[in-house]
Amino acid sequence: AQSVTQPDIHITVSEGASLELRCNYSYGATPYLFWYVQSPGQGLQLLLKYFSGDTLVQGIKGFEAEFKRSQSSFNLRKPSVHWSDAAEYFCAVGAGYNFNKFYFGSGTKLNVKP
Amino acid sequence: EAQVTQNPRYLITVTGKKLTVTCSQNMNHEYMSWYRQDPGLGLRQIYYSMNVEVTDKGDVPEGYKVSRKEKRNFPLILESPSPNQTSLYFCASSPDVGTGQDTEAFFGQGTRLTVV
Repeated sequence: AQSVTQPDIHITVSEGASLELRCNYSYGATPYLFWYVQSPGQGLQLLLKYFSGDTLVQGIKGFEAEFKRSQSSFNLRKPSVHWSDAAEYFCAVGAGYNFNKFYFGSGTKLNVKP
Repeated sequence: EAQVTQNPRYLITVTGKKLTVTCSQNMNHEYMSWYRQDPGLGLRQIYYSMNVEVTDKGDVPEGYKVSRKEKRNFPLILESPSPNQTSLYFCASSPDVGTGQDTEAFFGQGTRLTVV
């Protein structure tokens, strides 16, 4: 069965420090992988996605993620965090017919210290 | 502007009083779905629809109904709401693309439902 695990519930980093949010997935075929961000009181905004090709994908707001098939991981990174990055981040895998069924992780809440 | 619109954004209701949350998208997407978001559980799919008049259960369908009479609309119906349906609900839409093609889900702003 498909599943997504985000092992870190909360992470606190200092502004300007680097960030890595972990995501592991379980899926029988080549996955479609996504990272979404949710700011307080807002919907979900797509940060980046992976379907095939280059395993390092670039997204919006300076984020990137690397797909590692051998580790079933799709970790999100940012070299220098800004206070505005404080939000909740969700990793998701697209499955089902034409990969339209999304399975989400439980989310990681990012706090940014000044 | 391409968007998914949910209404209402906030709703407080009493146990057993039927309610409907509307969802509309203007992107001509075939695929629409409803999720509920609960702390520590992420988003879980309630129902989805692959096209007009085609709907199916997601992972947590109990206590919910949906309909898809028009391509743009996908309302979520709670016939007899209970307190355990207090949650944050999201509607999403995505295009029906072939395998290996680019796709993503577009989300509405969410509906916070409280059942007392």
